[in-house]
Amino acid sequence: AQKVTQAQTEISVVEKEDVTLDCVYETRDTTYYLFWYKQPPSGELVFLIRRNSFDEQNEISGRYSWNFQKSTSSFNFTITASQVVDSAVYFCALSVTQGGSEKLVFGKGTKLTVNP
Amino acid sequence: NAGVTQTPKFQVLKTGQSMTLQCAQDMNHEYMSWYRQDPGMGLRLIHYSVGAGITDQGEVPNGYNVSRSTTEDFPLRLLSAAPSQTSVYFCASSYEGGRTGELFFGEGSRLTVL
Repeated sequence: AQKVTQAQTEISVVEKEDVTLDCVYETRDTTYYLFWYKQPPSGELVFLIRRNSFDEQNEISGRYSWNFQKSTSSFNFTITASQVVDSAVYFCALSVTQGGSEKLVFGKGTKLTVNP
Repeated sequence: NAGVTQTPKFQVLKTGQSMTLQCAQDMNHEYMSWYRQDPGMGLRLIHYSVGAGITDQGEVPNGYNVSRSTTEDFPLRLLSAAPSQTSVYFCASSYEGGRTGELFFGEGSRLTVL
């Protein structure tokens, strides 16, 4: 099966804490892409990052960082010094090519609540 | 730049009624898709299109039809609504395609089927 598992359904932290959102994937493809999307309470879906399977370098963007490890099939997302505005549902997604179909398979999401 | 526009934002239907969710994008993206979001289920792909005149099924296509007569528009039709189709629907487009590209999402359409 080609799927994404986000084992943490909900996480609650206090502002300024660091928090890591886990993402584990399964795929048969040798070339694939991984994504993170954010869905704030307002409901829109916002792209955060894309990583291809050949690039295992970690990425940092401000308070956000991503750790991609092919050996453990994981693509974890860390927010440093969390803020209330980080409260959202975060989705990890995996690109899948199956029978000519191109699609993203999404995890079920992790709801992050950052309390003041 | 409007991006991806979905209408309506909210809709209530009775079982058996039909309706069309509209989706339009002004970014000249070839790839467009429809997802539904249900509590605890993430986002599931309904149908997608890699260009005008070309459509294909995703994970949960039953009960839905699509067409792609222009690059800009990708409407989703419910022919005979069922309560199981109560969901939030998102249209998305991408320049590079559904597999590799960043998806730009519309604001979503919340559909309730009674």
